[in-house]
Amino acid sequence: QKEVEQNSGPLSVPEGAIASLNCTYSDRGSQSFFWYRQYSGKSPELIMSIYSNGDKEDGRFTAQLNKASQYVSLLIRDSQPSDSATYLCAPNGGSNYKLTFGKGTLLTVNP
Amino acid sequence: NAGVMQNPRHLVRRRGQEARLRCSPMKGHSHVYWYRQLPEEGLKFMVYLQKENIIDESGMPKERFSAEFPKEGPSILRIQQVVRGDSAAYFCASSPAGANTGELFFGEGSRLTVL
Repeated sequence: QKEVEQNSGPLSVPEGAIASLNCTYSDRGSQSFFWYRQYSGKSPELIMSIYSNGDKEDGRFTAQLNKASQYVSLLIRDSQPSDSATYLCAPNGGSNYKLTFGKGTLLTVNP
Repeated sequence: NAGVMQNPRHLVRRRGQEARLRCSPMKGHSHVYWYRQLPEEGLKFMVYLQKENIIDESGMPKERFSAEFPKEGPSILRIQQVVRGDSAAYFCASSPAGANTGELFFGEGSRLTVL
């Protein structure tokens, strides 16, 4: 059974702080990892992808991957109220269309 | 520049009725994927289709569910004889032909409620 574990939250941070979102996965065949953001009642939107161990930065977002530990994280710097959403971790499980989504972490950024 | 279009956005059916959910992919995209999000659960892959072909339906329940993507028109996810456990949000996603980036463009979903 392929599983993706995320803290359900809610994770509450003040505006301007760093939000840290964590994810562990069980399928060692996963080679690509994706973070999607989902506002309430809306569609998931890809915000980060990472394929190699280490860090990948894109603006205020940094994804970190450690395949040996089967761990991937997303850091959001200078958090804004508009970042308030559910963040979904999705390893690809060996296929880039058959993503295995976690239940997501609800992030709330307080002004 | 329309994104992935799904309709209906909300659908209410009584047990035993049929539900048909439609999805038009983004312009230029020929790959369609259906995912289901049950309450308090993560998105689960159901089926991957290209025009006139089902590529992978390993996530589809064996009975009552079917999907198609005809040469012309939207992709259809069909649920026959719905039961309360089918109540969920059904998301369609699309990607361009040949793309293997894992970037799926999702529609806003169809929320099915079975009474």
